Formats: sequence, structure tokens, C-alpha cells
Amino acid sequence: DGGITQSPKYLFRKEGQNVTLSCEQNLNHDAMYWYRQDPGQGLRLIYYSQIVNDFQKGDIAEGYSVSREKKESFPLTVTSAQKNPTAFYLCASSVKSGPHGYTFGSGTRLTVV
Amino acid sequence: QQQVKQSPQSLIVQKGGIPIINCAYENTAFDYFPWYQQFPGKGPALLIAIRPDVSEKKEGRFTISFNKSAKQFSLHIMDSQPGDSATYFCAASKAAGNKLTFGGGTRVLVKP
Repeated sequence: DGGITQSPKYLFRKEGQNVTLSCEQNLNHDAMYWYRQDPGQGLRLIYYSQIVNDFQKGDIAEGYSVSREKKESFPLTVTSAQKNPTAFYLCASSVKSGPHGYTFGSGTRLTVV
Repeated sequence: QQQVKQSPQSLIVQKGGIPIINCAYENTAFDYFPWYQQFPGKGPALLIAIRPDVSEKKEGRFTISFNKSAKQFSLHIMDSQPGDSATYFCAASKAAGNKLTFGGGTRVLVKP
């Protein structure tokens, strides 16, 4: 079945550590996105990519980094510069052009310990 | 600047009631308006979407109403059930691109 796989489902990070969240899709979608969701809050865009080897900052990119070396993969690194990283992280993908909806992964819950 | 404003933030209805969620947008270039449903601990899932060339769209118990002149659209959940308890997000995107702008979300609780 086609879809988006995020791993791990739960992740714990010590202060000062970098961690990488995985996002893989087999939908042949060109565009991929990372969102952050805090409890009871909406979705805030971190980074997005519409083509391999290219990506753009979203609204809250500080303290995060991404890469897009393969169409299927869009990993997100939460760096030690992100002062408040505890949140639910959602990856999504979509076709590149035209008005279409996103397909979301099931999310990664990151907790700083 | 939030380009899609969603209200209310939370809503409680009895089973069989009709929760109504409203969204307003500012950018007249928006051409696609989806709604997403999210259960706790899960990713949002596309529920229903509308284009501005129609004023209403129904899928099962879910109905979108669209008012282009007012730049508003709303979601109605007919004959709501406890299983509809979730957070609902409206969103909008431009026709030429596909990056969605999301509203802030509405937490709906349907009491048995």
C-alpha cells in the first residue's frame, strides 16, 4: 500500500543532542513537508521541498535542518539550537503542482529529557 | 500573519447535533479548500475539499459550505457521532502551487 512512514513513533532526546526524524513515502509525490504541532495547537510549517536537492524554509525553520537527496525521503534534524523541541512532528507529501491535498504520516513525538 | 482564521477553538455537542466550524481567508488567490480530521496521536487525514466554483459539497455526513464573496467556508457534521470526536483543520492553497496554509484547528467533542 502507498503511504508515508515516519519513524520512530516516539523519540527522546537529551539536551544538547541532535536527533534525526525519518520520513519516507512511496506515493511518487514530488513535494514533501515537515510540520510541528504543539499540544492543542495548529500545524506550523518547518521546511518543505518541491523537488529533489531543493528545499525552502517554512515559518519556524530556526533550529531545524533538512535534506532531500532522494524523492522518497525527507529527513528532519532537530539540532541543539532548537530551544524547545518537545512536540509532535508531522511529515506530509503531495503532488508538485495543482491543488491537491496532502497525505500525512502518523507522526513522531519528540520529548527532551 | 495568519492567512486562514478558524473558529471556534473547541466545540462540544450532543450525539446527533450539528457541529459547525468556520474558516475565513484573506488571500483571494486561494483556489482549493480542504478539511482535515485528526485523531489524538495520529496524523491528519483529508476529509473533504471544495473549489470556489461550487457553493456546497457533501460527502456522507460532512458538508462544506463556501461563500466566495465573504471569503469564508465552513464544515458541518450532520448527525454527529461520538466517533467524530477529533480535531478538525481547514486549509487553503493557491491554484498554481500546492503549499497549504492551515487554520488553527477546532477540537470537537461529541457526547453520547
